[in-house]
Amino acid sequence: AQSVSQHNHHVILSEAASLELGCNYSYGGTVNLFWYVQYPGQHLQLLLKYFSGDPLVKGIKGFEAEFIKSKFSFNLRKPSVQWSDTAEYFCASDYYGGSQGNLIFGKGTKLSVKP
Amino acid sequence: NAGVTQTPKFRVLKTGQSMTLLCAQDMNHEYMYWYRQDPGMGLRLIHYSVGEGTTAKGEVPDGYNVSRLKKQNFLLGLESAAPSQTSVYFCASTNPGQTYEQYFGPGTRLTVT
Repeated sequence: AQSVSQHNHHVILSEAASLELGCNYSYGGTVNLFWYVQYPGQHLQLLLKYFSGDPLVKGIKGFEAEFIKSKFSFNLRKPSVQWSDTAEYFCASDYYGGSQGNLIFGKGTKLSVKP
Repeated sequence: NAGVTQTPKFRVLKTGQSMTLLCAQDMNHEYMYWYRQDPGMGLRLIHYSVGEGTTAKGEVPDGYNVSRLKKQNFLLGLESAAPSQTSVYFCASTNPGQTYEQYFGPGTRLTVT
């Protein structure tokens, strides 16, 4: 079955540290990939998405992600985190190329940024 | 433009009680989804709909029913609530296309005692 794996359950960083959150997906065909963020007490918001073209995708709030097809990976990065980045981050891929828009989500990574 | 709204925001049920969660979207989206979010489990798809009058099962459909009588609304029903259904429920919507970016509602926190 198709799956999305996130390597870290909880990451703790100090402000200004660099961030990289791992994400791997299992489907070998064409996929669309997403990173969503959930701030405490809020709903999920889209950070960035990849569907084709340049494998380095830039999103909101200084986040970026790199799609590496050979590694089935879509890692999220930010050069310098802020306290306001404290949130839970979810990687997702569409199911079998997105025929019905269903997304498979990873289990999420909680990021805590210390001021 | 409110996007995706959900009612109620919070609810406490006793085991065996029933309830309906309402999701409404004003973006004229064709596809709508219900997810549940549990700690350490991410989001899991309960049911979804690809158009008015159509529904389909997702990953964890047992114990839930859904209806899509109007394009803008997607209802999630619990006929006989169980403690295992204590969760946060999110609705989402999108339009068919290349990227299927989903827009999420604010969630409903349900506790079943």
